[in-house]
Amino acid sequence: AQSVTQPDIHITVSEGASLELRCNYSYGATPYLFWYVQSPGQGLQLLLKYFSGDTLVQGIKGFEAEFKRSQSSFNLRKPSVHWSDAAEYFCAVGARNQGGKLIFGQGTELSVKP
Amino acid sequence: GAVVSQHPSWVICKSGTSVKIECRSLDFQATTMFWYRQFPKQSLMLMATSNEGSKATYEQGVEKDKFLINHASLTLSTLTVTSAHPEDSSFYICSAGGLLNTEAFFGQGTRLTVV
Repeated sequence: AQSVTQPDIHITVSEGASLELRCNYSYGATPYLFWYVQSPGQGLQLLLKYFSGDTLVQGIKGFEAEFKRSQSSFNLRKPSVHWSDAAEYFCAVGARNQGGKLIFGQGTELSVKP
Repeated sequence: GAVVSQHPSWVICKSGTSVKIECRSLDFQATTMFWYRQFPKQSLMLMATSNEGSKATYEQGVEKDKFLINHASLTLSTLTVTSAHPEDSSFYICSAGGLLNTEAFFGQGTRLTVV
């Protein structure tokens, strides 16, 4: 079955510290992978996406993610977290020619300590 | 990037009434649109896939007679929640499929509260 797992429901990091949010997927076809961020009561903002090519993907707001096929993972990283990064983060997977139909992970809530 | 507009951004309705939510792709034609529902503190769950000019495909467990979807043009899909009940209160988000069929672009979402 197709699925996306974000093992960490809630993570707290200190401002300025590094961050890694985990994402594992199970998908029969070649996956297209996405990370979105959602602030409370708001819609989704795309941070980055992976379709093919270089497995290290750079996104907006200083985020990056690395696709590891052998581990079925697409972890999100940021070297130095800012207080404004506090939000809910969703990993999602889709496939070519599905028009953007996505399966979302459960989400990871990020809190940032001053 | 492509722009998808969803309207209204929030709505409060009385139990038993119907509510219509619009999803428009402003600068591209979307043959496929998707409707998701998100309960508080939960993830987004796909409700249905809407294809222009044809009937929507609903995910398992989603009542097609309750959640009416119409995709009459390449830029507009609507979701009508019929005979709404408090348990239908949720955040509804649409997305429109891109030209290359590889990703979709999300609307801002609609917060529905049924009282």
